[in-house]
Amino acid sequence: EAQVTQNPRYLITVTGKKLTVTCSQNMNHEYMSWYRQDPGLGLRQIYYSMNVEVTDKGDVPEGYKVSRKEKRNFPLILESPSPNQTSLYFCASSLSRSGELFFGEGSRLTVL
Amino acid sequence: GIQVEQSPPDLILQEGANSTLRCNFSDSVNNLQWFHQNPWGQLINLFYIPSGTKQNGRLSATTVATERYSLLYISSSQTTDSGVYFCAGRFDSWGKLQFGAGTQVVVTP
Repeated sequence: EAQVTQNPRYLITVTGKKLTVTCSQNMNHEYMSWYRQDPGLGLRQIYYSMNVEVTDKGDVPEGYKVSRKEKRNFPLILESPSPNQTSLYFCASSLSRSGELFFGEGSRLTVL
Repeated sequence: GIQVEQSPPDLILQEGANSTLRCNFSDSVNNLQWFHQNPWGQLINLFYIPSGTKQNGRLSATTVATERYSLLYISSSQTTDSGVYFCAGRFDSWGKLQFGAGTQVVVTP
């Protein structure tokens, strides 16, 4: 089944404890991206990647890192999480930068 | 910046009713998609529709790219149609999907 898989789906952590949210797609898509969704602010892009080893900042990259060492994986790294990073996170992928974007199921992160 | 505006912001329907959701966008679009966010927070792809008309069961969508709007039609609504409906477009060469604020739909029995 074609899908975008994120893990963990739910996480409660504490300020400063490094964490990684994994994202994997099995559709051989070139383009991958991370979004966060917050009440009143909608969905905003954090980082995106056009292909392996090609990544760039979206609208809200502060406090996040990404890497794209393999085509299928695009992990989101929070080196030192803070409470303002409490959010619902989505990973997404598409065949190209203009194609249909498919989203993972979301990861609900709470930073205390 | 580019604007994606959805209307109405909220919609309450009785089961069986039909409705139309509208999405206006301020620039030429490379890609236009409609999503349904269910109560569990999942974003479900409804339509990929940069132009033209598509139908999927009780749902259909039309995008008139030259006039910069898209419409989502829900017919014979069911309680499972409740949730937030988003339209989103890709307008630039970097592939960012720009979301509207959404339409919150509640279908009552």
